Amino acid sequence: GAGVSQSPSNKVTEKGKDVELRCDPISGHTALYWYRQSLGQGLEFLIYFQGNSAPDKSGLPSDRFSAERTGGSVSTLTIQRTQQEDSAVYLCASSFYRLNTEAFFGQGTRLTVV
Amino acid sequence: SQQGEEDPQALSIQEGENATMNCSYKTSINNLQWYRQNSGRGLVHLILIRSNEREKHSGRLRVTLDTSKKSSSLLITASRAADTASYFCATDGSSNTGKLIFGQGTTLQVKP
Repeated sequence: GAGVSQSPSNKVTEKGKDVELRCDPISGHTALYWYRQSLGQGLEFLIYFQGNSAPDKSGLPSDRFSAERTGGSVSTLTIQRTQQEDSAVYLCASSFYRLNTEAFFGQGTRLTVV
Repeated sequence: SQQGEEDPQALSIQEGENATMNCSYKTSINNLQWYRQNSGRGLVHLILIRSNEREKHSGRLRVTLDTSKKSSSLLITASRAADTASYFCATDGSSNTGKLIFGQGTTLQVKP
């Protein structure tokens, strides 16, 4: 499809395991965002990729979190040694890089750490 | 820290009534956007208002922006049960990088 695709849609993992969450942005979109949303809460900014610029990692909560974007397209968010407090919905969005443009969101990955 | 703060946190109205949600932010901006979220999943863009605009309409939606007060409001007129959702404002913080920061959201319930 033409939208932002995230996989898996749901992930249950054991505490201490590593997980990888994938985001396929809309073709041609140079900006890509990752957010985290706990139940009933707002969107917590994690990381922002814009073209070839260094990513803005200012929202990553700890060094257990990392993300990369290969070839300016697909992005992977990796959480190492997962903790129960990492349980949340992880949302990815993409947009064209220019001012005054909207972001398009994927349906998110619901991560549950047991 | 979150750039936008919405209020109220929750709003419950009857179908046909108008719903008003407010958003305050801290830094200067290039634009402010409103998004809607159903069932805790992906967000859908509703409307964008530029910093040099004061009011914008889209169907039953009306957005105002007051840059002197660093605040915006979203009005949904003649609400419907299908408008039940969470609504978020997002700003770019005039960073010119395109980075979007979201508020905590307002949960709207429209009773049929």
